[in-house]
Amino acid sequence: EDKVVQSPLSLVVHEGDTVTLNCSYEVTNFRSLLWYKQEKKAPTFLFMLTSSGIEKKSGRLSSILDKKELFSILNITATQTGDSAVYLCAVRDYGQNFVFGPGTRLSVLP
Amino acid sequence: DTEVTQTPKHLVMGMTNKKSLKCEQHMGHRAMYWYKQKAKKPPELMFVYSYEKLSINESVPSRFSPECPNSSLLNLHLHALQPEDSALYLCASSQVGLQETQYFGPGTRLLVL
Repeated sequence: EDKVVQSPLSLVVHEGDTVTLNCSYEVTNFRSLLWYKQEKKAPTFLFMLTSSGIEKKSGRLSSILDKKELFSILNITATQTGDSAVYLCAVRDYGQNFVFGPGTRLSVLP
Repeated sequence: DTEVTQTPKHLVMGMTNKKSLKCEQHMGHRAMYWYKQKAKKPPELMFVYSYEKLSINESVPSRFSPECPNSSLLNLHLHALQPEDSALYLCASSQVGLQETQYFGPGTRLLVL
């Protein structure tokens, strides 16, 4: 059965800190890994990763995938209170199946 | 336009009611999804439609009945639900193929009394 694990499950930091969120997976016929940010409502898309070793960046956020070790990390530098959210990792197989991890709840204190 | 819309935003229904949730997108996506999300849990995939055909049904009880009338619309028909079905129901869409980024709608928060 496909499985996605995230760590830590929750994290409290202060503004300006750098955080690293982890996602590991066991998926048959892996196709891509996606990161989402969820605040009060629907998840919003951050990154899609399909190739190992290629870092994707968007402002203070970056992510990389290691397909050999089956994990991905999401980095957030210079955190702000607006970064407080649940960060979800999802993995897609070659069907249309998306499996989500439990999420990391990040709280950024002023 | 990267918008997926869902109606209603909130829904309260009794266990004997029949109601429908609606989802719409105009991004030309040919895959559409229903997820159920309980509080403090990740979304759980329920159904996937690909080219208007049901391609994944994750052992969802028959009291949930999906329908995809055309490539832009996705419905979820609800009948004889249980209180434990109360949750946030999320619709999403994506391309079929390499660009499979999913875009989520705002969700319908359902309460079954």
